[in-house]
Amino acid sequence: NAGVTQTPKFRVLKTGQSMTLLCAQDMNHEYMYWYRQDPGMGLRLIHYSVGEGTTAKGEVPDGYNVSRLKKQNFLLGLESAAPSQTSVYFCASSYTGTGATEAFFGQGTRLTVV
Amino acid sequence: KQEVTQIPAALSVPEGENLVLNCSFTDSAIYNLQWFRQDPGKGLTSLLLIQSSQREQTSGRLNASLDKSSGRSTLYIAASQPGDSATYLCAVGLADSGYSTLTFGKGTMLLVSP
Repeated sequence: NAGVTQTPKFRVLKTGQSMTLLCAQDMNHEYMYWYRQDPGMGLRLIHYSVGEGTTAKGEVPDGYNVSRLKKQNFLLGLESAAPSQTSVYFCASSYTGTGATEAFFGQGTRLTVV
Repeated sequence: KQEVTQIPAALSVPEGENLVLNCSFTDSAIYNLQWFRQDPGKGLTSLLLIQSSQREQTSGRLNASLDKSSGRSTLYIAASQPGDSATYLCAVGLADSGYSTLTFGKGTMLLVSP
């Protein structure tokens, strides 16, 4: 009963380095999302996917790329990390759009860019 | 643009009190409204999901109401316990976007003291 699993849980990057965050869900959900959570800002949507092979921009997409090659996985990439990308990143999934059905969240990835 | 506001930002109560958390949103064209709980350093756990056609949902000591026309929801917690201490987030699912997503409030941080 894994639900939504994020890898890694913690990471420290130097400015300019790249990395990929992995999100995996075992609920056969069509929709997957990446959010970032910052103090005083709440959760903001970065990118989302409405099915395998699709991606779309959310509210704050700049500096990030995503891929959904398999239905169960949604990858978030940082090509050249910046200190402004220090945040907690959450992945979520839902059977249909989160506006229509319940959303399930992962435990988060705490990223620090120095 | 949909905006979600949660009041109060923080709340401290003694154990046993009944309490109400408030959420307001600016655009009444929503699919649903969800209440989440977030423990420190953890992900989000869905508590209650209210469809736009519903007025309330109940789960144990929790009761959430929705007044779509006035753009308001409340989360009522009965007989609060120290284990209820967490941040509570309200999120609305938008009905007018091509693919529905969630817009979050910034949360209410609740502390229940023994």
